[in-house]
Amino acid sequence: KAGVTQTPRYLIKTRGQQVTLSCSPISGHRSVSWYQQTPGQGLQFLFEYFSETQRNKGNFPGRFSGRQFSNSRSEMNVSTLELGDSALYLCASSTGEVELEQYFGPGTRLTVT
Amino acid sequence: AQKITQTQPGMFVQEKEAVTLDCTYDTSDQSYGLFWYKQPSSGEMIFLIYQGSYDEQNATEGRYSLNFQKARKSANLVISASQLGDSAMYFCAMREPNAGKSTFGDGTTLTVKP
Repeated sequence: KAGVTQTPRYLIKTRGQQVTLSCSPISGHRSVSWYQQTPGQGLQFLFEYFSETQRNKGNFPGRFSGRQFSNSRSEMNVSTLELGDSALYLCASSTGEVELEQYFGPGTRLTVT
Repeated sequence: AQKITQTQPGMFVQEKEAVTLDCTYDTSDQSYGLFWYKQPSSGEMIFLIYQGSYDEQNATEGRYSLNFQKARKSANLVISASQLGDSAMYFCAMREPNAGKSTFGDGTTLTVKP
């Protein structure tokens, strides 16, 4: 079974631009969660999508948004990038039901200059 | 709110020895899952082991075992026979059923010495 894939793996953007990151979950998994990891703040939950609906949301500004498609693939968008958005963005997939195991992708490392 | 505490920012262990990484948690939920992940310098979060709150036996996966003490709210990871490739950051995390959010600790950097 293929694992969680994220594209692109590395990205360099300029302040004020926007960016879209993609995550393809494990086949059969309907839940995709996004996390931001920075040295100062650690791992912080952004949001979770389950069956194309946002089910949970963390404490991030509205510049961070996401969506999920019918094939469970998810995209995360960050508009008006700030230097502080430089981070490793991880997505994780799970069945989204009773089973709790969650599997992570390799991450997208975003650098904002 | 859920909280995970990892009190060891860094740990050293000699190759082939065992090491215990500490994790305590706080939650008011009755049903939850506890996880340990390994994150090498490449950044990928690798799932190691899972313990459900209702599991009576401690979880084991190869060289990894989870020492679950529910009354003390601790979920320590034990790595037996450490290998050089075990050098990485280790995260303890908690998750509720039907919730996509996992709460992570700050991590412990493990260095295995030859």
